[in-house]
Amino acid sequence: EVLLTQSPATLSVSPGERATLSCRAGQFISSKLAWYQQKPGQAPRLLIYDASIRATGIPARFSGSGSGTEFTLTISSLQSDDVAVYYCQHYNNWPLSTFGQGTKVETK
Amino acid sequence: QLQLQESGPGLVKPSESLSLTCTVSGGSISSSDYFWDWIRQPPGRGLEWIGSLYYSGSTYYNPSLKSRLSMSVDTSQNQFSLRLNSVTAADTALYYCARKGWEGIDYWGPGTLVTVSS
Repeated sequence: EVLLTQSPATLSVSPGERATLSCRAGQFISSKLAWYQQKPGQAPRLLIYDASIRATGIPARFSGSGSGTEFTLTISSLQSDDVAVYYCQHYNNWPLSTFGQGTKVETK
Repeated sequence: QLQLQESGPGLVKPSESLSLTCTVSGGSISSSDYFWDWIRQPPGRGLEWIGSLYYSGSTYYNPSLKSRLSMSVDTSQNQFSLRLNSVTAADTALYYCARKGWEGIDYWGPGTLVTVSS
């Protein structure tokens, strides 16, 4: 089972500033990684798949990068609406998958 | 627009079985392009993938739950189901059903809270 480690646990960013979230895989997973956003009381929403491809309707301020074992989700200019918990998920052994423990993004 | 809706008891006694059903509307569960997943989230905690189901009946389970878990599909009703045996308080969670394609999990149900308590 592939372990995903997200950091930091909590990220405080001023509105308009850049937010950078990390996801590290315990073994090589190519680019088989997705990112999800979960707001309080809501189901998660797919943001990024295949490490860097934005899902339909996702704003351009969200971008993903990385491959192998190191991945990054960047929010280029944080909006108040982006306050949420963000999860990475691998699917290198599709359809089996694992989620990271999440990073909570809040405004400073 | 595809919609998923979980249903089942909100309260289950310890050592008993938890059974949930997900009803899919606005699309066919028999599509060859997708798997149908169960995912859970304990209160205040992160997401845990439970398992995936294909319309043919093929199943893929989280190894940590495999000995207690079974999933099934009813294509005539456009539904799929989850059964988790011998539950404990650690199985208390918000349970989501979802659709998963090659591009990730793109549709989720609203979730249903299941509490394990006597």
